[in-house]
Formats: sequence, structure tokens, C-alpha cells
Amino acid sequence: DGGITQSPKYLFRKEGQNVTLSCEQNLNHDAMYWYRQDPGQGLRLIYYSQIVNDFQKGDIAEGYSVSREKKESFPLTVTSAQKNPTAFYLCASSTSSGTALNQPQHFGDGTRLSIL
Amino acid sequence: KQEVTQIPAALSVPEGENLVLNCSFTDSAIYNLQWFRQDPGKGLTSLLLIQSSQREQTSGRLNASLDKSSGRSTLYIAASQPGDSATYLCAVMGWRWLTFGGGTRVLVKP
Repeated sequence: DGGITQSPKYLFRKEGQNVTLSCEQNLNHDAMYWYRQDPGQGLRLIYYSQIVNDFQKGDIAEGYSVSREKKESFPLTVTSAQKNPTAFYLCASSTSSGTALNQPQHFGDGTRLSIL
Repeated sequence: KQEVTQIPAALSVPEGENLVLNCSFTDSAIYNLQWFRQDPGKGLTSLLLIQSSQREQTSGRLNASLDKSSGRSTLYIAASQPGDSATYLCAVMGWRWLTFGGGTRVLVKP
């Protein structure tokens, strides 16, 4: 079955530590996105990538970094500079056929990050 | 800056009643509006996507309307079932990315 796989499901970070969240898709989508969701709130965009080797900052990129070396993969690193990283992180992808902005986004099941 | 608001934040209805969920946005320059469903601890499932040139979109028991000039969208769910219990989020696509509302948490009581 095609879909988006996020791992791990739960992740704990120590003070001063960088952690990396994995996102893999087998939908052959060009565009991939990372969102952060805080309790009772909507999603906010961290980074997005329309093609391999290219990515753009979203609304709340500070303290995060990404890479896009392969079409299928878009890992997110939460750095020690992110002072309030506790949240639910969601990865999404969409096709770029036609106008990418008009394509629905497909989501993974998320990674819940907590501070130890 | 685009702002998306969903009121109420939570809603409880008896089974069989029709659900009406509201979404408002401040900037009418949008490509589309999307409605999503989120179950607890899970990702989002796309329900409906309304292009900016459309007035409504239907899928089964779901119907969504869009009034760009007034910055409003409404999601109707007919004959609600306990399985419809979830959080429903709307999002508008601007020239770069989706902006989400805070969601409406729905409970359908048997």
C-alpha cells in the first residue's frame, strides 16, 4: 500500500541534544512538508520541499533543519536551538502534477516528541 | 497574514443529527480550501478540497461550501454517526502553503 511512514512514533530528547525525525513516502510525490501541532491547535508549517535538493522555510523554521537528498525521504532535525520542541510532528506529501498548490496533501501518522 | 478560525472548538450531538462545522479566513486570495479529519494521536485524512472557483464540493454524506468574498466555509455532515467523532480541521492554500484553523472536536453520542 502506498503511503507516508513516520518514525519513531514517540521520541524523547535530552537537553542540548539534536534529534532526527524520519519521513518516507512511496507515493512518488514531488512535494513534502513538515508541520508542528501543539495541543488543541492547528498545524504550523516548519519546512517544505517541492523537489529534490531544494527546500524552503515555513512559518516556524527556527531551531529546525531538513534535507532532501532523495525524492522518497525528507528527514527533520530538531536542534538544541529549538527551546520548546515538545509537540506532535506531522509529515505530508503531495503530487506536483498540474498545479502543486491545488493538490491535496497526504499525511503520515506523526511523531510525538517530548523533553526528558 | 492569513488567519483561519474555527468556531466552536468542540461540539457534541446525538447520533442522527446533522453536523454543521464553520471555518472563516481573513484573506480571500486563496487557491483552495481543504477539510481534514484527525483521529486522536493520528495524522490527517483529507475529506474535501474546494477550488477557489467552486462554491461547493460533495462526497457521500459530506458537503462543503465556500464563499470566498465573505471568507467562510461550512462543512455539513448528514445523519451523523458515532464513527464521525473526531477533530475536523479546515485549511486554506495561499500562494505558498496551507494555513490551518485550530479545529473543531466533534463527539457524536449513540
